[in-house]
Amino acid sequence: DSGVTQTPKHLITATGQRVTLRCSPRSGDLSVYWYQQSLDQGLQFLIQYYNGEERAKGNILERFSAQQFPDLHSELNLSSLELGDSALYFCASSVLEDSYEQYFGPGTRLTVT
Amino acid sequence: GIQVEQSPPDLILQEGANSTLRCNFSDSVNNLQWFHQNPWGQLINLFYIPSGTKQNGRLSATTVATERYSLLYISSSQTTDSGVYFCAVVGGATNKLIFGTGTLLAVQP
Repeated sequence: DSGVTQTPKHLITATGQRVTLRCSPRSGDLSVYWYQQSLDQGLQFLIQYYNGEERAKGNILERFSAQQFPDLHSELNLSSLELGDSALYFCASSVLEDSYEQYFGPGTRLTVT
Repeated sequence: GIQVEQSPPDLILQEGANSTLRCNFSDSVNNLQWFHQNPWGQLINLFYIPSGTKQNGRLSATTVATERYSLLYISSSQTTDSGVYFCAVVGGATNKLIFGTGTLLAVQP
């Protein structure tokens, strides 16, 4: 158990819908990262937050957004869902933001039908 | 950006055998991690090893940063070692992990 929690574990929804994925980092970690794992793209970085502020963006679609709250939990919002958004979404956390070990949560498996 | 290549892409072993997985990266890195993704999809941290050698039970890892590669050794493999092994690096100005394509390991009883 990494100490990073993610909810829900599984999510099945229809095209065009909006969903919210939630992540709680390890106790004491200030930095949160979101990654997407799909069959065709592999594991890819989406976005990073550090102590409530956005720090880096990767290949995140405009239909996706995220935020980190004062209690340091983070949410990833996915809207206007398409079949191709079906993937495993991971949250990771680290103590600070500079090259520290990242610990991954169990992931949320999203299926868009 | 940094390219990460892993080899071999897949590997089949008999229980008890040893194996070496390799990770090559194209530029200097600040962080290198090895992960095991089990059949349930969980990513489990194995090593944080930007340089040097570490051991944890039957697993060990070595990173030679100057030559831009890392090796993961699995000794006396068990069926529970099956899954995908990923190498991931952080380099440059960002803190994002860049993942290799993984090595799919199947350990047969």
